[in-house]
Amino acid sequence: AQSVSQHNHHVILSEAASLELGCNYSYGGTVNLFWYVQYPGQHLQLLLKYFSGDPLVKGIKGFEAEFIKSKFSFNLRKPSVQWSDTAEYFCAVNAGYSSASKIIFGSGTRLSIRP
Amino acid sequence: EAGVAQSPRYKIIEKRQSVAFWCNPISGHATLYWYQQILGQGPKLLIQFQNNGVVDDSQLPKDRFSAERLKGVDSTLKIQPAKLEDSAVYLCASSLDRLAVDTQYFGPGTRLTVL
Repeated sequence: AQSVSQHNHHVILSEAASLELGCNYSYGGTVNLFWYVQYPGQHLQLLLKYFSGDPLVKGIKGFEAEFIKSKFSFNLRKPSVQWSDTAEYFCAVNAGYSSASKIIFGSGTRLSIRP
Repeated sequence: EAGVAQSPRYKIIEKRQSVAFWCNPISGHATLYWYQQILGQGPKLLIQFQNNGVVDDSQLPKDRFSAERLKGVDSTLKIQPAKLEDSAVYLCASSLDRLAVDTQYFGPGTRLTVL
């Protein structure tokens, strides 16, 4: 069965610091990988996704993620965070090509940015 | 473009009572999802509809939860009777189709408290 692990539950950074949030999944076949973000008081929304091609994926607001198949990882990065990046970040995986396999979300990482 | 609408936003009930949540997906989206998000966890898929048919309800506690999507548009999720452990945010999401790579668009959620 698929599973997703986000080991950092709460990350606190100062503005301009670099960010890397870890995401590991367990599934041996083809996967589609997502990062969703929930800003305070707002809906969950897509940050970026990977389904094929270049393993380095760029998303909105300067975020990027790298799919490393050998490590079963899809870590989220941003070179310089801003106070407005304060939010909860969820990694998710969906195996295969159809949605016969359900999307599985990690438990989330809360990011707090000190101004 | 209007987003996914949900109501009510908040609901407080006593255990053994019944409750219903409503969702209106983005116009033209064929696939609709209901998730349960317990505090400190990621969203967990309860049921997925493709138009008005159920694609996956393997994680829906069918002894107390039911859902329908009549006419393939709006959907209702019901809990009867509610238990304390049902306290959670219930999220509705929709996507254009049922491909694994499709972006899911989330509504604001309904926060349920069972006393």
